[in-house]
Amino acid sequence: GENVEQHPSTLSVQEGDSAVIKCTYSDSASNYFPWYKQELGKGPQLIIDIRSNVGEKKDQRIAVTLNKTAKHFSLHITETQPEDSAVYFCAAVYSGGGADGLTFGKGTHLIIQP
Amino acid sequence: KAGVTQTPRYLIKTRGQQVTLSCSPISGHRSVSWYQQTPGQGLQFLFEYFSETQRNKGNFPGRFSGRQFSNSRSEMNVSTLELGDSALYLCASSLGQGKAYEQYFGPGTRLTVT
Repeated sequence: GENVEQHPSTLSVQEGDSAVIKCTYSDSASNYFPWYKQELGKGPQLIIDIRSNVGEKKDQRIAVTLNKTAKHFSLHITETQPEDSAVYFCAAVYSGGGADGLTFGKGTHLIIQP
Repeated sequence: KAGVTQTPRYLIKTRGQQVTLSCSPISGHRSVSWYQQTPGQGLQFLFEYFSETQRNKGNFPGRFSGRQFSNSRSEMNVSTLELGDSALYLCASSLGQGKAYEQYFGPGTRLTVT
């Protein structure tokens, strides 16, 4: 089955700086890669996703890049703000069928220092 | 539009008991997936339901089961509870079957087994 590795496990950045979280996946058939943000006491919130036919996607201060050859994808947050502090999860899945749901990375705790 | 709702939010049970958790998807969403979240294992896929049928299943023992009703609401049942079943149980809804569609998570049910 799919295996997703996520790094780093903790990331501390100064407010206003950029943050980058990286994930690698093992199954070359995976073709859908969402990112989720989870705040304390809440469920994961979908913040951006990318499909394998696209190399990059942006949404305001958030961007995701995908390198299918290397089987890795990254989340980029620019001009970080205190409200960006949360745990971020990457995930991967093959959307064409099979018995597995989303496979998640272990999460990155992003801390925005004032 | 209301988000995914889960009840109850918190639950304390004793080893050997059984428990039923409920999930109401976003209006119009027909697919419901369940995930278990623990500090050690992270987010793990349990199963997915679409049109009242289980479509996909993760690697969990048969003590974990679920069902979906004609209004797309879903329930998850865990029988013969073990201490290791203590976790946050999350459900996610999406428009259609499978992983090609964005999944939106509820706040989760925190289950504690003593």
